[in-house]
Amino acid sequence: DTGVSQDPRHKITKRGQNVTFRCDPISEHNRLYWYRQTLGQGPEFLTYFQNEAQLEKSRLLSDRFSAERPKGSFSTLEIQRTEQGDSAMYLCASSLPGSSPLHFGNGTRLTVT
Amino acid sequence: GIQVEQSPPDLILQEGANSTLRCNFSDSVNNLQWFHQNPWGQLINLFYIPSGTKQNGRLSATTVATERYSLLYISSSQTTDSGVYFCAANYGGATNKLIFGTGTLLAVQP
Repeated sequence: DTGVSQDPRHKITKRGQNVTFRCDPISEHNRLYWYRQTLGQGPEFLTYFQNEAQLEKSRLLSDRFSAERPKGSFSTLEIQRTEQGDSAMYLCASSLPGSSPLHFGNGTRLTVT
Repeated sequence: GIQVEQSPPDLILQEGANSTLRCNFSDSVNNLQWFHQNPWGQLINLFYIPSGTKQNGRLSATTVATERYSLLYISSSQTTDSGVYFCAANYGGATNKLIFGTGTLLAVQP
């Protein structure tokens, strides 16, 4: 069990640029989640995948955000035309089927200048 | 809407002291999880505890689902316990997504 892996750890980008983050879940976990966390707040749910199917998206996930999990393994989260308000920690988590503990990666900290 | 509230918001302890953190949730939950976020931002799952009591070393947790609260006990605190403690509730549905509280910031001083 190597844990949930996220890449990169940090990303600094200029407003208007596109960014893409990657998440590799624990290998036997078919459920994958993206969360966003801003300073002083708890993580907020963005989207959920079961295998390769994206089954739920939060209203927080604007049209500039897109997530994929093409083969039911790793996932990517892309933000187009970044804005300063997108600056946050983006966290990925995975779990087994059913009502199970979530395991988080170390996160990708995005700074939009 | 669904709410998860934590208290206290901040806590300072001397090393060796005990503490209790509380989590109140606004509706019946499918499960309740406690996490520790270390100063580097990593979230570690401490307990998956929909009801009852669990213990793991110096930490223990109790969830009373019928009264909509959960408690996290830290005994003989150490400086490495510092960080933010979050509780998170799953209210059912197919996704198992969690709603997080605002956290308790704990600082353990040597």
